[in-house]
Amino acid sequence: DQQVKQNSPSLSVQEGRISILNCDYTNSMFDYFLWYKKYPAEGPTFLISISSIKDKNEDGRFTVFLNKSAKHLSLHIVPSQPGDSAVYFCAATLNEAQKLVFGQGTRLTINP
Amino acid sequence: GAVVSQHPSRVICKSGTSVKIECRSLDFQATTMFWYRQFPKQSLMLMATSNEGSKATYEQGVEKDKFLINHASLTLSTLTVTSAHPEDSSFYICSASAPAFFRDGYTFGSGTRLTVV
Repeated sequence: DQQVKQNSPSLSVQEGRISILNCDYTNSMFDYFLWYKKYPAEGPTFLISISSIKDKNEDGRFTVFLNKSAKHLSLHIVPSQPGDSAVYFCAATLNEAQKLVFGQGTRLTINP
Repeated sequence: GAVVSQHPSRVICKSGTSVKIECRSLDFQATTMFWYRQFPKQSLMLMATSNEGSKATYEQGVEKDKFLINHASLTLSTLTVTSAHPEDSSFYICSASAPAFFRDGYTFGSGTRLTVV
């Protein structure tokens, strides 16, 4: 039972444009969501997070939007840069210091 | 920031042998450490959660006698793959958690590529 889903395995975006990565979840009890970036043969690195009591969080070029009624969140990267090419995972957790449930990941490729 | 060191980064072992992977929190005390496994082009699957000084909690379907987890101190957790078989070949990643760092997200190690031949 995949509680966190990233339905797009890959996404290709032109440099300078906006990248939008999507994530859906089924468990309405999730109260904290995180996005991670991962390069091959490396561990994930934290990008940005959002609490379920908010609908938007912004950090530089990265913005995460949360739509609780739709159980959907998205990560916007603008402007996209070649160094953003990586696999992006969304993750959710039930409460602090509890285990993360990951989506399947989306491979983002930024084309020059 | 929080740093987690995972060692080794890559290991090749013969079928039937055991392999130990270490996960260390370098600049903070990790009350909880998590072990994940990732198959090619798939998600990170949580294997087990370990709290310092207590037995690990394994996820459904993970053999605790095969994947031995020890969390003897607040800065070190180990995963031992016992009697390894080729199907155990995978990318193993640890992460560490401490309440003070939660809002920055869990910190992950760099992963260990295990190949069983």
